[in-house]
Amino acid sequence: QVQLVQSGAEVKKPGASVKASCKTSGYAFSNYGFSWVRQAPGQGLEWMAWISVYGGNTDYALRFQGRVTMTTDTSTRTAYMELRSLRSDDTAVYYCARTSRSGDNVAFDFWGQGTMVTVSS
Amino acid sequence: QSVLTQPPSMSAAPGQKVTISCSGSSSNIGSNFVSWYQHLPGTAPKLLIYEDNRRPSEIPDRFSGSKSGTSATLGITGLQTGDEADYYCATWDSSLSGGVFGGGTKLTVL
Repeated sequence: QVQLVQSGAEVKKPGASVKASCKTSGYAFSNYGFSWVRQAPGQGLEWMAWISVYGGNTDYALRFQGRVTMTTDTSTRTAYMELRSLRSDDTAVYYCARTSRSGDNVAFDFWGQGTMVTVSS
Repeated sequence: QSVLTQPPSMSAAPGQKVTISCSGSSSNIGSNFVSWYQHLPGTAPKLLIYEDNRRPSEIPDRFSGSKSGTSATLGITGLQTGDEADYYCATWDSSLSGGVFGGGTKLTVL
């Protein structure tokens, strides 16, 4: 069965960087991409960015461009998301979601359990 | 402010039906498929509907999706207490070149 297992909670100081991982199993890794979605406390889901495994194409929400880097490692079937220059309002649960994409049609069909990132001085 | 607009909350009795709306524009719902997600606190979101009205095999047929123009709707029949959750619509916005979610609807089954 498809599984996405994310790395554990992180506590970071303002200005630091965080790198979350998303290790997968149960499907053909290269046939899908990944989106990263976050949920701040008391808020809704917010789409951040997408990366294709095959070809490494990316799209970013405007507010995260220049601050987020996504990578994938086919040897370990793992996706990574690094967020830099952390601020207190980056405190959130960060989810990886396997993404089926055909042109501008997408669906986030399997999700990781989330990585809690707390930014505090 | 979300690009897609959902009612913040809805409530209905067990066994009843509820429809959750999601309003967008020509650059998102009007031109791309809509998907719907159920999110229980502390858990991973779950895909309920994709490509406007298709259900993954494990999702019961109590859940349905539809779309007309720039609006989409999630229907849930035979409500159960286990359906209490936050529900989100999502799609791609071709103008923004990015994914967009609705603000979420908190469903209470009472």
